[in-house]
Amino acid sequence: GIQVEQSPPDLILQEGANSTLRCNFSDSVNNLQWFHQNPWGQLINLFYIPSGTKQNGRLSATTVATERYSLLYISSSQTTDSGVYFCAVAINNYGQNFVFGPGTRLSVLP
Amino acid sequence: DTEVTQTPKHLVMGMTNKKSLKCEQHMGHRAMYWYKQKAKKPPELMFVYSYEKLSINESVPSRFSPECPNSSLLNLHLHALQPEDSALYLCASSQAGKRYFGPGTRLTVL
Repeated sequence: GIQVEQSPPDLILQEGANSTLRCNFSDSVNNLQWFHQNPWGQLINLFYIPSGTKQNGRLSATTVATERYSLLYISSSQTTDSGVYFCAVAINNYGQNFVFGPGTRLSVLP
Repeated sequence: DTEVTQTPKHLVMGMTNKKSLKCEQHMGHRAMYWYKQKAKKPPELMFVYSYEKLSINESVPSRFSPECPNSSLLNLHLHALQPEDSALYLCASSQAGKRYFGPGTRLTVL
């Protein structure tokens, strides 16, 4: 099955700093999503991005499908950005083989 | 409306109890999922329902029994659970590959 790696595993930032989170995957995918899990457990869908670049406020993501990686950029971080960021991939859009990476745990300090 | 709701938020049960978790979405999504998440781990897929039919059961013990009464509702019936079943249980739905998660039920088995 597909293997998904995320780096770094843990990240501590001062409020206002920028960061880049990376997701590597072992096979071609047609579905890639980034999620933020807040301290209460809610998983929030940040980006559906099997290829290309998208931006949403202070967050942006880029997936280079041919090189099997995706990057999530967080600019001007805020304490509310703390939590775990998961990358999840699938070969297709139909439910099976939706594989999560191990996550990056982000702590933003005031 | 991009919301998946789950009840209850928290549940404490004994090993001889029978309880049910409930999940609801009104986005018209025809695929719904149950995930189990242990602390500091990514979510693990338990069941997939597609058009109200069980399409995937990831070798989950029979003490977990899913049910999909209609296209908006998903239940997870629990019976004779073990303490190691304590976890966050997440429901999700998807359309065109994009997955939406509910806030989860935090289950403690005593």
